Amino acid sequence: DIQLTQSPSFLSASVGDRVTITCRASQGINSYLAWFQQKPGEAPKLLISEASTLQSGVPSRFSGGESGTEFTLTISSLQPEDFATYYCQQLESYPLTFGQGTRLEIK
Amino acid sequence: EVQLVESGGGLVQPGGSLRLSCAASRFTLSDHYMDWVRQAPGKGLEWVGRSRNKANSYTTEYAASVKGRFSFSRDDSKNSLYLQMNSLKTEDTAVYYCARAPPFGSGRYYLDYWGQGTLVTVSS
Repeated sequence: DIQLTQSPSFLSASVGDRVTITCRASQGINSYLAWFQQKPGEAPKLLISEASTLQSGVPSRFSGGESGTEFTLTISSLQPEDFATYYCQQLESYPLTFGQGTRLEIK
Repeated sequence: EVQLVESGGGLVQPGGSLRLSCAASRFTLSDHYMDWVRQAPGKGLEWVGRSRNKANSYTTEYAASVKGRFSFSRDDSKNSLYLQMNSLKTEDTAVYYCARAPPFGSGRYYLDYWGQGTLVTVSS
Protein backbone atom coordinates (compact mmCIF):
# COMPACT_ATOMS: atom_id res chain seq x y z
CA ASP A 1 0.00 0.00 0.00
CA ILE A 2 1.11 3.56 -0.68
CA GLN A 3 1.65 5.56 2.50
CA LEU A 4 1.13 9.32 2.59
CA THR A 5 2.82 11.31 5.33
CA GLN A 6 1.66 14.86 5.88
CA SER A 7 3.66 17.51 7.67
CA PRO A 8 3.15 19.27 9.89
CA SER A 9 0.25 17.55 11.66
CA PHE A 10 -0.66 20.84 13.30
CA LEU A 11 -0.03 24.38 12.14
CA SER A 12 -0.80 27.64 13.87
CA ALA A 13 -0.83 30.73 11.67
CA SER A 14 -2.31 34.19 11.35
CA VAL A 15 -4.63 35.77 8.81
CA GLY A 16 -2.53 36.96 5.90
CA ASP A 17 0.24 34.40 6.41
CA ARG A 18 1.56 32.17 3.65
CA VAL A 19 1.51 28.52 4.65
CA THR A 20 2.64 25.29 3.03
CA ILE A 21 1.54 21.76 3.89
CA THR A 22 3.59 18.83 2.62
CA CYS A 23 2.44 15.34 1.66
CA ARG A 24 5.13 12.75 1.03
CA ALA A 25 4.28 9.51 -0.78
CA SER A 26 6.08 6.25 -0.04
CA GLN A 27 6.48 5.64 -3.79
CA GLY A 28 5.81 7.37 -7.07
CA ILE A 29 2.16 8.29 -7.71
CA ASN A 30 2.35 10.02 -11.11
CA SER A 31 0.71 13.25 -9.92
CA TYR A 32 -2.45 11.36 -9.00
CA LEU A 33 -2.97 13.34 -5.83
CA ALA A 34 -5.89 15.28 -4.42
CA TRP A 35 -6.13 17.82 -1.64
CA PHE A 36 -9.24 18.19 0.51
CA GLN A 37 -10.35 20.75 3.05
CA GLN A 38 -12.58 19.70 5.94
CA LYS A 39 -14.23 21.99 8.45
CA PRO A 40 -15.71 20.69 11.74
CA GLY A 41 -19.02 18.92 11.21
CA GLU A 42 -18.76 19.09 7.44
CA ALA A 43 -17.86 16.73 4.65
CA PRO A 44 -14.48 17.11 2.95
CA LYS A 45 -14.29 19.44 -0.04
CA LEU A 46 -12.09 18.77 -3.06
CA LEU A 47 -9.67 21.64 -3.59
CA ILE A 48 -7.07 20.28 -5.99
CA SER A 49 -6.81 17.28 -8.30
CA GLU A 50 -3.91 15.93 -10.36
CA ALA A 51 -1.56 17.47 -7.77
CA SER A 52 -1.98 21.03 -9.06
CA THR A 53 -5.34 21.55 -10.81
CA LEU A 54 -7.53 23.92 -8.83
CA GLN A 55 -11.18 22.95 -8.77
CA SER A 56 -13.81 25.35 -10.01
CA GLY A 57 -14.81 27.86 -7.35
CA VAL A 58 -11.72 27.35 -5.19
CA PRO A 59 -9.92 30.66 -4.51
CA SER A 60 -6.69 31.22 -6.39
CA ARG A 61 -4.77 31.70 -3.12
CA PHE A 62 -4.71 27.87 -3.01
CA SER A 63 -2.12 26.12 -5.14
CA GLY A 64 -0.62 22.66 -5.41
CA GLY A 65 2.90 21.64 -6.33
CA GLU A 66 5.02 18.56 -6.62
CA SER A 67 8.61 17.45 -6.72
CA GLY A 68 9.10 13.74 -7.13
CA THR A 69 7.17 12.06 -4.33
CA GLU A 70 6.71 15.26 -2.34
CA PHE A 71 3.57 17.29 -2.85
CA THR A 72 2.65 20.66 -1.42
CA LEU A 73 -0.50 22.64 -0.75
CA THR A 74 0.19 26.34 -0.39
CA ILE A 75 -2.20 29.04 0.77
CA SER A 76 -0.72 32.35 -0.25
CA SER A 77 -2.58 34.62 2.15
CA LEU A 78 -4.66 32.94 4.85
CA GLN A 79 -8.24 34.03 5.22
CA PRO A 80 -10.43 33.34 8.28
CA GLU A 81 -12.43 30.71 6.36
CA ASP A 82 -9.26 28.71 5.58
CA PHE A 83 -8.78 27.48 9.13
CA ALA A 84 -9.65 23.81 8.78
CA THR A 85 -8.07 20.37 8.44
CA TYR A 86 -6.42 19.44 5.14
CA TYR A 87 -5.93 15.95 3.73
CA CYS A 88 -4.08 14.60 0.74
CA GLN A 89 -5.21 11.44 -1.07
CA GLN A 90 -3.40 9.31 -3.64
CA LEU A 91 -5.22 7.79 -6.59
CA GLU A 92 -2.29 5.94 -8.15
CA SER A 93 -3.27 2.49 -6.91
CA TYR A 94 -5.66 0.59 -4.69
CA PRO A 95 -6.20 0.82 -1.84
CA LEU A 96 -6.60 4.55 -2.19
CA THR A 97 -5.08 6.19 0.86
CA PHE A 98 -5.25 9.50 2.70
CA GLY A 99 -2.63 11.37 4.61
CA GLN A 100 -3.23 11.68 8.35
CA GLY A 101 -4.32 15.30 8.03
CA THR A 102 -2.96 18.75 8.88
CA ARG A 103 -4.96 20.87 11.27
CA LEU A 104 -4.57 24.58 10.54
CA GLU A 105 -5.53 26.85 13.43
CA ILE A 106 -5.56 30.56 14.06
CA LYS A 107 -2.62 31.89 16.04
CA GLU B 1 -26.67 20.90 -7.87
CA VAL B 2 -25.47 17.36 -7.25
CA GLN B 3 -26.69 15.98 -3.94
CA LEU B 4 -25.83 12.86 -1.97
CA VAL B 5 -27.75 11.90 1.15
CA GLU B 6 -26.63 9.04 3.38
CA SER B 7 -28.94 7.31 5.82
CA GLY B 8 -29.18 4.13 7.88
CA GLY B 9 -26.61 4.81 10.55
CA GLY B 10 -27.20 4.02 14.18
CA LEU B 11 -26.14 1.93 17.15
CA VAL B 12 -25.36 -1.74 16.54
CA GLN B 13 -23.77 -4.39 18.70
CA PRO B 14 -20.42 -5.98 17.82
CA GLY B 15 -20.95 -8.82 15.38
CA GLY B 16 -24.11 -7.21 14.04
CA SER B 17 -25.05 -5.91 10.62
CA LEU B 18 -26.20 -2.62 9.19
CA ARG B 19 -27.01 -1.32 5.72
CA LEU B 20 -26.30 2.26 4.77
CA SER B 21 -27.96 4.03 1.88
CA CYS B 22 -26.71 6.84 -0.32
CA ALA B 23 -29.40 8.54 -2.39
CA ALA B 24 -28.19 10.60 -5.34
CA SER B 25 -29.92 13.56 -6.93
CA ARG B 26 -29.35 15.57 -10.11
CA PHE B 27 -27.07 13.03 -11.73
CA THR B 28 -27.39 9.43 -12.86
CA LEU B 29 -25.69 7.22 -10.31
CA SER B 30 -25.19 4.31 -12.71
CA ASP B 31 -22.93 6.47 -14.88
CA HIS B 32 -20.50 7.11 -12.04
CA TYR B 33 -17.90 5.47 -9.88
CA MET B 34 -18.83 5.91 -6.21
CA ASP B 35 -16.66 5.64 -3.11
CA TRP B 36 -17.30 5.16 0.58
CA VAL B 37 -15.01 6.93 3.03
CA ARG B 38 -15.24 6.82 6.81
CA GLN B 39 -13.99 8.93 9.67
CA ALA B 40 -13.74 7.64 13.23
CA PRO B 41 -14.57 10.23 15.90
CA GLY B 42 -11.77 12.78 16.10
CA LYS B 43 -9.68 10.90 13.54
CA GLY B 44 -8.70 11.24 9.89
CA LEU B 45 -10.28 9.99 6.70
CA GLU B 46 -10.14 6.31 5.76
CA TRP B 47 -11.06 5.06 2.30
CA VAL B 48 -13.49 2.12 2.56
CA GLY B 49 -13.90 1.18 -1.07
CA ARG B 50 -15.12 1.88 -4.58
CA SER B 51 -18.03 0.77 -6.73
CA ARG B 52 -17.37 1.25 -10.42
CA ASN B 53 -20.09 2.33 -12.82
CA LYS B 54 -22.51 0.25 -14.86
CA ALA B 55 -20.23 0.40 -17.90
CA ASN B 56 -17.63 -1.36 -15.77
CA SER B 57 -20.11 -3.90 -14.44
CA TYR B 58 -20.24 -2.34 -10.97
CA THR B 59 -17.01 -4.04 -10.02
CA THR B 60 -15.60 -3.17 -6.63
CA GLU B 61 -12.47 -2.47 -4.61
CA TYR B 62 -12.28 -2.70 -0.83
CA ALA B 63 -9.87 -1.64 1.88
CA ALA B 64 -8.23 -4.58 3.61
CA SER B 65 -9.84 -3.59 6.91
CA VAL B 66 -13.36 -4.25 5.55
CA LYS B 67 -12.83 -6.82 2.80
CA GLY B 68 -15.02 -9.87 3.28
CA ARG B 69 -17.29 -8.03 5.73
CA PHE B 70 -18.54 -5.04 3.73
CA SER B 71 -20.13 -5.05 0.30
CA PHE B 72 -21.59 -2.50 -2.09
CA SER B 73 -24.74 -2.69 -4.15
CA ARG B 74 -26.90 -0.37 -6.19
CA ASP B 75 -30.52 0.11 -7.16
CA ASP B 76 -30.62 2.02 -10.43
CA SER B 77 -34.38 2.52 -10.19
CA LYS B 78 -33.86 4.43 -6.93
CA ASN B 79 -30.61 6.09 -8.00
CA SER B 80 -29.13 4.75 -4.81
CA LEU B 81 -25.98 3.07 -3.55
CA TYR B 82 -25.78 0.79 -0.54
CA LEU B 83 -23.12 -0.30 1.91
CA GLN B 84 -23.86 -3.61 3.61
CA MET B 85 -21.78 -3.99 6.74
CA ASN B 86 -21.57 -7.40 8.44
CA SER B 87 -19.58 -8.73 11.38
CA LEU B 88 -19.21 -5.22 12.70
CA LYS B 89 -16.40 -4.41 15.10
CA THR B 90 -16.01 -1.57 17.57
CA GLU B 91 -13.29 -0.13 15.32
CA ASP B 92 -15.88 0.32 12.55
CA THR B 93 -17.42 3.15 14.57
CA ALA B 94 -17.26 6.19 12.31
CA VAL B 95 -19.12 8.67 10.18
CA TYR B 96 -19.58 7.07 6.77
CA TYR B 97 -19.56 9.25 3.68
CA CYS B 98 -20.48 8.35 0.12
CA ALA B 99 -18.77 10.37 -2.58
CA ARG B 100 -19.07 10.67 -6.33
CA ALA B 101 -15.96 9.90 -8.33
CA PRO B 102 -16.08 11.11 -11.93
CA PRO B 103 -13.09 10.69 -14.28
CA PHE B 104 -10.70 13.61 -14.53
CA GLY B 105 -8.29 14.47 -17.31
CA SER B 106 -5.78 11.82 -16.33
CA GLY B 107 -8.45 9.13 -16.31
CA ARG B 108 -8.28 8.88 -12.55
CA TYR B 109 -11.51 9.17 -10.56
CA TYR B 110 -11.44 11.95 -7.98
CA LEU B 111 -14.05 12.50 -5.27
CA ASP B 112 -15.84 15.68 -6.27
CA TYR B 113 -19.11 15.57 -4.30
CA TRP B 114 -19.67 14.13 -0.85
CA GLY B 115 -22.73 13.47 1.24
CA GLN B 116 -23.09 14.82 4.77
CA GLY B 117 -22.30 11.45 6.32
CA THR B 118 -24.12 9.07 8.65
CA LEU B 119 -22.80 7.93 12.03
CA VAL B 120 -22.39 4.25 12.78
CA THR B 121 -21.67 3.30 16.39
CA VAL B 122 -20.65 -0.24 17.17
CA SER B 123 -20.93 -0.86 20.89
CA SER B 124 -22.40 -3.29 23.38
